[in-house]
Amino acid sequence: QVQLVQSGAEVKKPGASVKVSCKTSGYTFIAYYMHWVRQAPGQGLEWMGWIDPNTGGTNSAQKFQGRVTLTWDTSITTGYLDVTGLRSDDTAVYYCAMSGKFLLALRDWGQGSLVTVSS
Amino acid sequence: EIVLTQSPGTLSLSPGEKATLSCRASQTVMNSNLAWYQHKPGQAPILLIYGASSRATGIPDRFSGSGSGTDFTLTIRRLETEDFAVYYCQQYDSSPLTFGGGTKVQIK
Repeated sequence: QVQLVQSGAEVKKPGASVKVSCKTSGYTFIAYYMHWVRQAPGQGLEWMGWIDPNTGGTNSAQKFQGRVTLTWDTSITTGYLDVTGLRSDDTAVYYCAMSGKFLLALRDWGQGSLVTVSS
Repeated sequence: EIVLTQSPGTLSLSPGEKATLSCRASQTVMNSNLAWYQHKPGQAPILLIYGASSRATGIPDRFSGSGSGTDFTLTIRRLETEDFAVYYCQQYDSSPLTFGGGTKVQIK
């Protein structure tokens, strides 16, 4: 049975960094991408990027390039989202989600991790 | 990037009624690479439809998707209480993947 379990809520000050984790189980990683999607309060869903757990290759939205890093730890089948230079408008629920490599619909989702940026 | 515009923003309906949600793309979404999600507060989104018209595993057949090119529709045949939520379309034809702004289906 597939499962995605994310790390807990975080409160950070502006300018700080945050690392959100997403522990997976039940996947054959050669066949999947892990995506990250966020939702700011009162806003819609925003795709941030994906990582290929098999190769470590990534693809991210231009607005996040330079501030967001996606990584994968094969030994514990866990993906990570690193965001640096946090601003108040980074306050959001961050979700990990899995898709196939040839069908990029987001099939399975983690429960979400709330990141609050506040001074 | 492909911009998705969903309409209406809010749909007020009663249980048992039919819901029709629209998603229009700023350019052609090739190969019908479009999905629909249901999202409730405090929960993770759920994939309903992929490939514009294929139901995801476990999704009831009252949910159906149609369309191609730039115009797509999600239809909920007879609304049940648990269907009141926000619905998003998403294109995965080209990077960056993009979502529409959402349609809230609320109880009238």
